Parts: sequence; C-alpha cells; structure tokens
Amino acid sequence: DSGVTQTPKHLITATGQRVTLRCSPRSGDLSVYWYQQSLDQGLQFLIQYYNGEERAKGNILERFSAQQFPDLHSELNLSSLELGDSALYFCASSVTLQGAGNTIYFGEGSWLTVV
Amino acid sequence: AQSVTQPDIHITVSEGASLELRCNYSYGATPYLFWYVQSPGQGLQLLLKYFSGDTLVQGIKGFEAEFKRSQSSFNLRKPSVQWSDAAEYFCAVATDNYGQNFVFGPGTRLSVLP
Repeated sequence: DSGVTQTPKHLITATGQRVTLRCSPRSGDLSVYWYQQSLDQGLQFLIQYYNGEERAKGNILERFSAQQFPDLHSELNLSSLELGDSALYFCASSVTLQGAGNTIYFGEGSWLTVV
Repeated sequence: AQSVTQPDIHITVSEGASLELRCNYSYGATPYLFWYVQSPGQGLQLLLKYFSGDTLVQGIKGFEAEFKRSQSSFNLRKPSVQWSDAAEYFCAVATDNYGQNFVFGPGTRLSVLP
C-alpha cells in the first residue's frame, strides 16, 4: 500500500459526460501528480500541483482540469468525454523538498471506460 | 528534454532464470533514475531508485540496478526470477528534485514460464 488513495476504482460513463476523479496523497506529501495510462500512449504525465498551486503541466487536454484543495487532496475533472479518453488514470504524490531526492508514490488508479 | 527508452517490449524467462531489463536515458547531466513495477490491475510500485553515490542500488523483491554513466543506462537485474515477478516494468527519469519532468519509458512486459 503506497498510501495514495484514489476513488473511484472503476467508472463507466457515456460520451459527452463529465466525471471527477479524486485523490488523497500520502500523509505529509505536498505534491500531487496525475498520469494517464492508455495502450497506445503509454504512461503520460498530465499535471502536477504543489501545495495547492499548479506546478507543471504535461499533455493535458483543455477538456481536462485539476485542482488541489487546502487539505491537499486533488481532483481531476474530465469533461466532454470521448471514447479515446478511456484509460487508467493514476494519481501520485511526493514530499517535494529541495535536496530530498524526490520519489513519487502511485495510487492504484481509476479505470475510466467511456462508452 | 530527457527521454527514456526500454528496448524490449516483452521478455519471457523461465522461473529460476536470471533477468536483465534494459533502460537507456537521454539527458545532459546525471538524472534521478527509478524502476517501477506494475502488476496486472495494480498501481505502480517503486522497486528502487538512484540519486547519487554507489552506482549499484538494491531494491525490494531481490532486484538491483546499475547506473552506467558511460552507457547512459540503468538496467534492472534479478538473479532468479519467480512466477510472481510477471508484470510490467517501467524505467523513469527525473531531472530535478521537484518531481516535474518525471518521464517514464514505454515499459517492458515480463512473462515467467513455470
């Protein structure tokens, strides 16, 4: 158990809909990352938040957005869903202190199926 | 930008045999290097990491990896593979201490024959 909790574990929804994925980081971790894993694209970095603020942005679509709340949990919002958005979405967290040798710990993922 | 390659998409070994999974990175300086394992239907679990110091690092589950600067490689090894090691293995590289620019390789799927 990495200590990173993601909900829901499985989600099936229709095209055009909107879903929210939730992540609770490890206790004490200030950074939260979101990754998308699909068969054709592999593991893709989407976005990182550090202590409530966006820190880095990767290959995240404009239809997707995220935020990190004061209690450090994070949500990834996916809207206007398309079939190609079906994937496993991972949340990860880390302490992110300078000089600490940053290690990222992953949750078990949220399986999203768009039908 | 840094990149990671894992030349082998799929490897099959017999139980008890030795294993080496290859990882090569492209980056101008010394990166932070990681190996993660993903079992079917599971998240990614950290096996080991290299930040500095001894270039041979020991990880969990009997795995080790060696950083070779001259070859830009960070190959994962295990002397005797077990059935339970069948999984997807990802090499990753980070170029700073803050976790951003954390790039994964495409993964190597390991199958283990009884």
